[in-house]
Amino acid sequence: DIQMTQSPSSLSASVGDRVAITCRASQTISSYLNWYQQKPGKAPKLLIYGASSLQSGVPSRFSGSGSGTDFTLTISNLQPEDFATYYCQQSSRTPQTFGQGTRLDIK
Amino acid sequence: EVQLVQSGAEVKKPGESLKISCKASGYSFTTYWIGWVRQMPGKGLEWMTIIYPGDSDTRYSPSFQGQVTISADKSLSTAYLQWSSLKASDTAMYYCARQSDTARRYAFDIWGHGTMVTVSS
Repeated sequence: DIQMTQSPSSLSASVGDRVAITCRASQTISSYLNWYQQKPGKAPKLLIYGASSLQSGVPSRFSGSGSGTDFTLTISNLQPEDFATYYCQQSSRTPQTFGQGTRLDIK
Repeated sequence: EVQLVQSGAEVKKPGESLKISCKASGYSFTTYWIGWVRQMPGKGLEWMTIIYPGDSDTRYSPSFQGQVTISADKSLSTAYLQWSSLKASDTAMYYCARQSDTARRYAFDIWGHGTMVTVSS
């Protein structure tokens, strides 16, 4: 299986901040990297697919970058509704493994 | 509207069998892979299995192979996940999700609301 490692595991930030979450794959996955947001008690929501493409309806303050094994999700101008847990997922090979998650809290 | 509607919460005893469902609407059910993701209480997301309803081709994570069975009924546009003998460690929220096409790099673009399965004696 391809292992996905996210960092940090948790992060505290304030409204208006810019934050970055990284995801590393144990082997190359080209651009088959997706990012999801999950709020408590809710299903995950797709934010970014193909490492850098914004899913329809997702605010432009979310952006993704990277290819190969190293990827970054950046959230600019944090809004109150952005405080949630974020997961990366590789869709290059089955099983399509997820990272362990990054919890973003209000400072 | 494209949506996945999952069956309701279940409370079962160890050793019992269970089949949960995920009904798709608003798109061609047979032309997209659909999968299941486990989330144990307070934990992260785990990819379990997917099926292509068009020909019932399936893939399993080694962690779940032999533990669960995925299936689909094209006539009902419904995917299923079943257990033959539940364990307490199967207690979790189970999400179904549609896998998008190659243009969206096979991301899970549509998710069900989740089915909570509780296994307790």
